This record gives sequence, C-alpha cells and structure tokens, in this order.
Amino acid sequence: GAGVSQSPSNKVTEKGKDVELRCDPISGHTALYWYRQSLGQGLEFLIYFQGNSAPDKSGLPSDRFSAERTGGSVSTLTIQRTQQEDSAVYLCASSSNNQPQHFGDGTRLSIL
Amino acid sequence: GESVGLHLPTLSVQEGDNSIINCAYSNSASDYFIWYKQESGKGPQFIIDIRSNMDKRQGQRVTVLLNKTVKHLSLQIAATQPGDSAVYFCAETIPGTNAGKSTFGDGTTLTVKP
Repeated sequence: GAGVSQSPSNKVTEKGKDVELRCDPISGHTALYWYRQSLGQGLEFLIYFQGNSAPDKSGLPSDRFSAERTGGSVSTLTIQRTQQEDSAVYLCASSSNNQPQHFGDGTRLSIL
Repeated sequence: GESVGLHLPTLSVQEGDNSIINCAYSNSASDYFIWYKQESGKGPQFIIDIRSNMDKRQGQRVTVLLNKTVKHLSLQIAATQPGDSAVYFCAETIPGTNAGKSTFGDGTTLTVKP
C-alpha cells in the first residue's frame, strides 16, 4: 500500500527565501509528525498533529517555522526567511493511535 | 532535558555473525521504546518495539532486550546480512506523551562485511 509521501525530495534555495515542504500521510492515520535531521545526527522533533486537537508546536526552533494540516490529511511545513542552518533533511511521519510511526523519505533542504 | 544515547557510533560485523546494538536512556519514567533502521537516503523504518512491562521481545531475526534497572536497551540481530547495513536509532517515550514526541539517539552505524 501507499506509504508516507513527501515532496519535493530535494530543494535548493537561496538564503532569505521561503520554502514549503509537503507531506501526504498514510490514509486513515490520525497523527502526523515533522522532524528535522542534520547530517549524521538523530531526529529532532518539530511539531505534532493529532486529529482535531491543537498541534504540539513545542519543537519548532523559531517563529520562522510553521506547519499546517488541512482536512486532517496533508501537511505543509513552511520555513520563512531561510538561513543556512536550516539545511537538513525534513522528515514526516504518520501513525494510528499508540502505534509506531511510518516515515516518509524526507525532503533534503539545502540553503545556499 | 532527557536524552537517549548510544554507546558506540559505529559497529562492524562479519556477515553471518550476530550483531548487538546498545542504547542507554536517561529517563526512568520512559515506558515505550522503539528501534528504527535507516538506510541511506531513506526515512527511518520501524523494526521492533517494547513496552516497559516486558524485558524481551522477539521478531524475525531481531530481539530487543530492556533492562530497566540500568536503563539499557539493546537490539540483537541474528545472522547479520549485508542488507542489515544501516543506521539504527533507538527512541524512548515518556507516559502521557505519544510516540510522536519520542526522543531519538544519534544512531549507530552498522556495517556488515561480506
């Protein structure tokens, strides 16, 4: 079956530009998560959506980062006024309640 | 804050040998643990999980052991194959949160030599 899909797979942009990263979760999964992974590092939690509840934004590193989840399905992570330190792989995952997460293959973001 | 650390950043084993990847966690209140495998250019893939009311769980060629006394988690891979080469992450979750707020370690890179 279809897994978690992320787009684009790669994104190169200039410092100061805004970027939008998209995540299509597995159909029926109520929970959706965004992580950031720097080279050779673990996963840094960014934000979590669960059903109609208010999202947990406690991991967002600055107010330049925001995310939406429309209709309980597709999610968009937006980074405004990108900085070079934003360069990383951004991973999305979805899950059913109390089940392990299923990850997409990520968007590799490079800020020039 | 809490952190999950791995004892060794790299592990090299011979094909056919058993592999053991270790993980130390710091929060004694953690009650759910997951091992993920991440291949180059891919997202992490669930391998096996264990809850704190268990000390051992077995899957296909993999076994997870949990020692709550010393806050230690291990992943054992039997008859390691070249396809097992990847980075392995452990993750812990504290009660009252959800798996989405698991704390991940930096990973152990497993290399399988033919």
